[in-house]
Amino acid sequence: KAGVTQTPRYLIKTRGQQVTLSCSPISGHRSVSWYQQTPGQGLQFLFEYFSETQRNKGNFPGRFSGRQFSNSRSEMNVSTLELGDSALYLCASSLSGRAGTGELFFGEGSRLTVL
Amino acid sequence: DAKTTQPPSMDCAEGRAANLPCNHSTISGNEYVYWYRQIHSQGPQYIIHGLKNNETNEMASLIITEDRKSSTLILPHATLRDTAVYYCIVRAGANSKLTFGKGITLSVRP
Repeated sequence: KAGVTQTPRYLIKTRGQQVTLSCSPISGHRSVSWYQQTPGQGLQFLFEYFSETQRNKGNFPGRFSGRQFSNSRSEMNVSTLELGDSALYLCASSLSGRAGTGELFFGEGSRLTVL
Repeated sequence: DAKTTQPPSMDCAEGRAANLPCNHSTISGNEYVYWYRQIHSQGPQYIIHGLKNNETNEMASLIITEDRKSSTLILPHATLRDTAVYYCIVRAGANSKLTFGKGITLSVRP
């Protein structure tokens, strides 16, 4: 079956702009998590959505937001971009609840460069 | 706020077993130990997880000490493709967030 799909794979923005990243989970997966990966901070948890509701949230400013649609697809948005937002943004999906073991399936990521 | 401690790096020879240690001395009774790996420029990949019993799958074995304060991931016959960063993570359950630490960089040499 198809894996987790993230779009776009690469993008370049300038400071002050905003960006929207998209994630299509594996069919049947209802949980979607987002992570930011930078060389200095490593992999950091942003937030998780389950059935269109944010279930967990990391320690990121309000400029980072997300949402999940009824078909489980998710988007994350970063407003007023800063140079430090340059990173690889990873999406992961999983089965949840009793049906899931908690195994997360990651996409290839969206690499954002802020100039 | 990762709850695990791993050495920064290790290497092993191709074809030999790679034993990756992880310390999680503050683990709670309901927390699982998960292992993921990340090959350069790819998203992390799930390897295995366990609560208190040893576990084995087609990729690796997970040995958890009786007091659950440490564990070892074993790749029985390491190949060059196993060169990656390996993350040991403790997690309260399938619906709790996954917090990655710095991981251990495994280099498999020919």
